[in-house]
Amino acid sequence: SQQGEEDPQALSIQEGENATMNCSYKTSINNLQWYRQNSGRGLVHLILIRSNEREKHSGRLRVTLDTSKKSSSLLITASRAADTASYFCATVAAGNKLTFGGGTRVLVKP
Amino acid sequence: ETGVTQSPTHLIKTRGQQVTLRCSSQSGHNTVSWYQQALGQGPQFIFQYYREEENGRGNFPPRFSGLQFPNYSSELNVNALELDDSALYLCASSGPQTGKWELFFGEGSRLTVL
Repeated sequence: SQQGEEDPQALSIQEGENATMNCSYKTSINNLQWYRQNSGRGLVHLILIRSNEREKHSGRLRVTLDTSKKSSSLLITASRAADTASYFCATVAAGNKLTFGGGTRVLVKP
Repeated sequence: ETGVTQSPTHLIKTRGQQVTLRCSSQSGHNTVSWYQQALGQGPQFIFQYYREEENGRGNFPPRFSGLQFPNYSSELNVNALELDDSALYLCASSGPQTGKWELFFGEGSRLTVL
């Protein structure tokens, strides 16, 4: 079973627009991470936000975390064609495993 | 510094056969995790190895087994293959330099079971 659920499942935007995707989870967490995957290949770590943090930035990425609502959002600003990929949230609760959601498929049209 | 490498990249097996997938962790990383990703879904945690010992396991049957070697490379073995085992198998490594929560993934081994 998957801890996180991303919304929307798919997103299509024009280059230069912002892309926002959300992740909801069920149990208390230690941290939440976002990963990118291009065309069924390996995952690339984007950003980690700890349970005591509310917002984090990395380049064109902005992540928020609301532990009271058990939700997170990932914003990609000024999107580029190269941002076309699937984006996954992953939570860390007890133990050492990451629990991934089902992903949001983002298409950035030039 | 080399990244995480997996082999083979693609393979086809028939139901009931056995398969071994291999992973070389990133230089300096002592922890290896394996994930199964079915088409259109997120990765599912199989198990993790740290210093050659299994250090956590997901909801997978015993026919999924693994090894970690002294050089921190790892193998995933799946016995008695079933059609539902068709998936992308991802290996990820982590280590003290990067923190245990940031995983570095290989490109995966795509297994098709006929």
